[in-house]
Amino acid sequence: QQQVKQSPQSLIVQKGGISIINCAYENTAFDYFPWYQQFPGKGPALLIAIRPDVSEKKEGRFTISFNKSAKQFSLHIMDSQPGDSATYFCAALYRGSTLGRLYFGRGTQLTVWP
Amino acid sequence: DAGITQSPRYKITETGRQVTLMCHQTWSHSYMFWYRQDLGHGLRLIYYSAAADITDKGEVPDGYVVSRSKTENFPLTLESATRSQTSVYFCASSESDDRAQHFGDGTRLSIL
Repeated sequence: QQQVKQSPQSLIVQKGGISIINCAYENTAFDYFPWYQQFPGKGPALLIAIRPDVSEKKEGRFTISFNKSAKQFSLHIMDSQPGDSATYFCAALYRGSTLGRLYFGRGTQLTVWP
Repeated sequence: DAGITQSPRYKITETGRQVTLMCHQTWSHSYMFWYRQDLGHGLRLIYYSAAADITDKGEVPDGYVVSRSKTENFPLTLESATRSQTSVYFCASSESDDRAQHFGDGTRLSIL
């Protein structure tokens, strides 16, 4: 069972446009929601993260919007640039009786055309 | 230089062989993780560890073994490799479970 559902699978955006990637979850015990960016041949790197007591977090051109009641969160990339072309993963942290761990979405391949 | 390194970067082996993937981090992070990345599945957690000698299973642990005798090392062993274990493997480390995970550049493993 997929814990975090991510859409779309791929996204093509014109340079200067807004890229939007969505994620949804069911487990209300998740309490930390990071986004990771991955370039070809490299490991993922943390881009931005949010906690459920905040509805929005902005860092430069990247914004996370978080809707706790809908159990959804999204990444918005403003003024998208060709250098933003990468695969993006959303994730959610679960701390159960064992060690805390992230559940990742399946990823979105973003292509920004110049 | 500080960081997380994985070795080898590429490996080709045959079914039934034992393979060990190495992971070393220089930050003294408590947490370390092993993921596999496959097309259409994203990143799936194999095993993780909160400290030396403390490990736990992730989503896809079958066929894999880990150990963590030292904080900085977290090797992953495929005891008897199968073709379904062909994948890109990533190691990561973090200060705690809610801090950034720092990933290595991966090991591309092909099992023939």
